[in-house]
Amino acid sequence: AQSVSQHNHHVILSEAASLELGCNYSYGGTVNLFWYVQYPGQHLQLLLKYFSGDPLVKGIKGFEAEFIKSKFSFNLRKPSVQWSDTAEYFCAVNAGTGGFKTIFGAGTRLFVKA
Amino acid sequence: GAGVSQSPSNKVTEKGKDVELRCDPISGHTALYWYRQSLGQGLEFLIYFQGNSAPDKSGLPSDRFSAERTGGSVSTLTIQRTQQEDSAVYLCASSLRTGSNQPQHFGDGTRLSIL
Repeated sequence: AQSVSQHNHHVILSEAASLELGCNYSYGGTVNLFWYVQYPGQHLQLLLKYFSGDPLVKGIKGFEAEFIKSKFSFNLRKPSVQWSDTAEYFCAVNAGTGGFKTIFGAGTRLFVKA
Repeated sequence: GAGVSQSPSNKVTEKGKDVELRCDPISGHTALYWYRQSLGQGLEFLIYFQGNSAPDKSGLPSDRFSAERTGGSVSTLTIQRTQQEDSAVYLCASSLRTGSNQPQHFGDGTRLSIL
């Protein structure tokens, strides 16, 4: 069965620090990969996605993620975080061969100190 | 524009009662999903509807949970004989077309509290 593992449940950073949130999945076939973000008081929204092609994908607000197939990983990065990045981040995986059930990780709560 | 709408936003009920949660997807979205988000947990998949196809119910935790989607649009998630462990935020999402590469658009959720 598919599963998604996010390594850090809570991360605290100061503004301008670099961010990397880990995400590993277990599925041997073709996958579609997503990062969603939930800002305080708001609904979940898509941050970025990978389907095929360049394994380094750019998302909104300066975020990027790199798909490393050999490591079954899709880590989220941002070179310099801002206070407004305080949110909960979810990694999600969907089998690319017609399975529509998306599996989400447990989420990582990021708090950025001003 | 209108997003995914869920109602009620909050529901408090006594153990043993039945509850109905409603989801209005984005107009034209053929796929609809229900998830459960418990404190400290990720999003737990419950059920998936795609057009007129039979729903994928593989995530429903027990036979007390059921869901319908009428006319390919509005969906209702019903929990019978609620238990305290059913307390969670129930999220609905929709996506535009078939295909596992379609991103989902989420509602604000219904926060369910069982006393």
